[in-house]
Amino acid sequence: DAGVTQSPTHLIKTRGQQVTLRCSPKSGHDTVSWYQQALGQGPQFIFQYYEEEERQRGNFPDRFSGHQFPNYSSELNVNALLLGDSALYLCASSPGGPRGSNQPQHFGDGTRLSIL
Amino acid sequence: DQQVKQNSPSLSVQEGRISILNCDYTNSMFDYFLWYKKYPAEGPTFLISISSIKDKNEDGRFTVFLNKSAKHLSLHIVPSQPGDSAVYFCAASPRNSGYALNFGKGTSLLVTP
Repeated sequence: DAGVTQSPTHLIKTRGQQVTLRCSPKSGHDTVSWYQQALGQGPQFIFQYYEEEERQRGNFPDRFSGHQFPNYSSELNVNALLLGDSALYLCASSPGGPRGSNQPQHFGDGTRLSIL
Repeated sequence: DQQVKQNSPSLSVQEGRISILNCDYTNSMFDYFLWYKKYPAEGPTFLISISSIKDKNEDGRFTVFLNKSAKHLSLHIVPSQPGDSAVYFCAASPRNSGYALNFGKGTSLLVTP
């Protein structure tokens, strides 16, 4: 049973470019969340998708956007990249349902994004 | 503003002894608390959780204690093993674990033989 998978593993971009990160949730999970983890910090919540809609959003600018597909997979898009966007981007999935649940979120291994 | 705080960046414990990792939170609306373990180059792995209606939850060698009045929780690992060496993150949610998690900065645990 595959867990949460993310691609690519590493990515190098330059300032001003745009990037798309991808996530496939664990089998049976319908809710996908994205987190940003800067060096030496804990993961910070970006947003969550359920039923192809953004259900919750953290304190991130509009340059960060996402999408969820009918098969529950998800993409994170970041426009106009800044040096400060360099971080590990983590995707997490859970069997949330309409009200969420107390099932813990399962994380992928992340995409390491470096901005030059 | 950091709503979940892990004030000890690192902890070193001998194999076989108890490891105690602490976490404080400021938001009284938090209702569900989790601990995750993270090895280098891997994503966080869920360890154990507790809801605000309980003050203790056990799972094998891992026990989480919650003191709501003090807004404090702790993770006890007994006995500690070298394979437990990792970064431990405390996380909290105002609803349930399926919603946005607020994480602390983590505590790096080293268990020495």
